[in-house]
Amino acid sequence: SAVISQKPSRDICQRGTSLTIQCQVDSQVTMMFWYRQQPGQSLTLIATANQGSEATYESGFVIDKFPISRPNLTFSTLTVSNMSPEDSSIYLCSVTPDRGLYEQYFGPGTRLTVT
Amino acid sequence: AQSVTQLDSQVPVFEEAPVELRCNYSSSVSVYLFWYVQYPNQGLQLLLKYLSGSTLVKGINGFEAEFNKSQTSFHLRKPSVHISDTAEYFCAVSEKTSYDKVIFGPGTSLSVIP
Repeated sequence: SAVISQKPSRDICQRGTSLTIQCQVDSQVTMMFWYRQQPGQSLTLIATANQGSEATYESGFVIDKFPISRPNLTFSTLTVSNMSPEDSSIYLCSVTPDRGLYEQYFGPGTRLTVT
Repeated sequence: AQSVTQLDSQVPVFEEAPVELRCNYSSSVSVYLFWYVQYPNQGLQLLLKYLSGSTLVKGINGFEAEFNKSQTSFHLRKPSVHISDTAEYFCAVSEKTSYDKVIFGPGTSLSVIP
């Protein structure tokens, strides 16, 4: 298993600003992912954070809007840039500690409100 | 491409009654199947998973699910629910060839009524 923490837990931001969300894992993991959960909706994968290389983005998400860093095997950041009210969501980090078990572990999420 | 359907967006059920949350998926290849639970203001927690073998899978908190390949379904059941089961439940699927990419269903909100 893995214990994941995220900072901040919530924030209220103004339109046009940027917010960086941190994800810290208590053990080294190969795979880290970032998801978005819009109000009352399911999870949508934003990107896979790759250690030592650029993140892999899903269709509809671009690096300029959601830059991701992965400096080591226990930490990643997601930045939501030039925010608009449509970016108001919960952002979740997840990891796969053991690919052989095919299980993802999720952080508690960051609740973002853009005004 | 894969997709997941959860036909019931909200399911109210009385305490100690049985419950079934329905999940159907669409995929052209073999898949792994998952149920996750999200308690209010928390992240997601894995309830159970189907990888291979027995089609009846038992998970945590007394939940179980049955994989039906012909009906492409993976319904979640519990014989007797508790107030603490009130949460959002997500069915999810990943293709065996790209299992890191997990597609989530829209979710079912289970409300247990005292």
